[in-house]
Amino acid sequence: DGGITQSPKYLFRKEGQNVTLSCEQNLNHDAMYWYRQDPGQGLRLIYYSQIVNDFQKGDIAEGYSVSREKKESFPLTVTSAQKNPTAFYLCASSISGQGANQPQHFGDGTRLSIL
Amino acid sequence: SQKIEQNSEALNIQEGKTATLTCNYTNYSPAYLQWYRQDPGRGPVFLLLIRENEKEKRKERLKVTFDTTLKQSLFHITASQPADSATYLCALGAGGYQKVTFGTGTKLQVIP
Repeated sequence: DGGITQSPKYLFRKEGQNVTLSCEQNLNHDAMYWYRQDPGQGLRLIYYSQIVNDFQKGDIAEGYSVSREKKESFPLTVTSAQKNPTAFYLCASSISGQGANQPQHFGDGTRLSIL
Repeated sequence: SQKIEQNSEALNIQEGKTATLTCNYTNYSPAYLQWYRQDPGRGPVFLLLIRENEKEKRKERLKVTFDTTLKQSLFHITASQPADSATYLCALGAGGYQKVTFGTGTKLQVIP
């Protein structure tokens, strides 16, 4: 079955440590997205990529970095510069980057906590 | 600034009744509106998309309306079932290569 796989499901970070969240899709979608979800807040866009080897900052990119070297993969690194990294991170994809006229397919998230 | 409002309070309804969830927006002229379902600890799942020139869209027991004058979308679940209990998110976008903005979601609890 096609879908998006995020790993790990739970992740713990020590102070000053960088961690990388994995996102893989086998839907052959061009566009991929990273969101952060905090209690009482809507999904906030961190980074998005409309095509391989290209990505743009979203609304809250500070303290995060991404790469898009392969169509099916869009890893997110949470750097030590992100002062409040505890959150639920969601990866999504869509057929193309044509905004809201296409549904987004989501993975089941990674919950990141600080030790 | 753009703002999307969904009722932050949980909606409790009796099984078999129609659940109606509201999504209001301000300072925004969306071309598309989407509804998603999210279960605890899971990612959102796409349900329906409606365009600005469509007044209503249906899919099985689901119905969505989009009123660009009132700046509001209503999401209805008819003959609700306990399995419909989840958080429902609305999302808006202006079309083209524009990002989608999500609301905070409304938690629906269907009581047997």
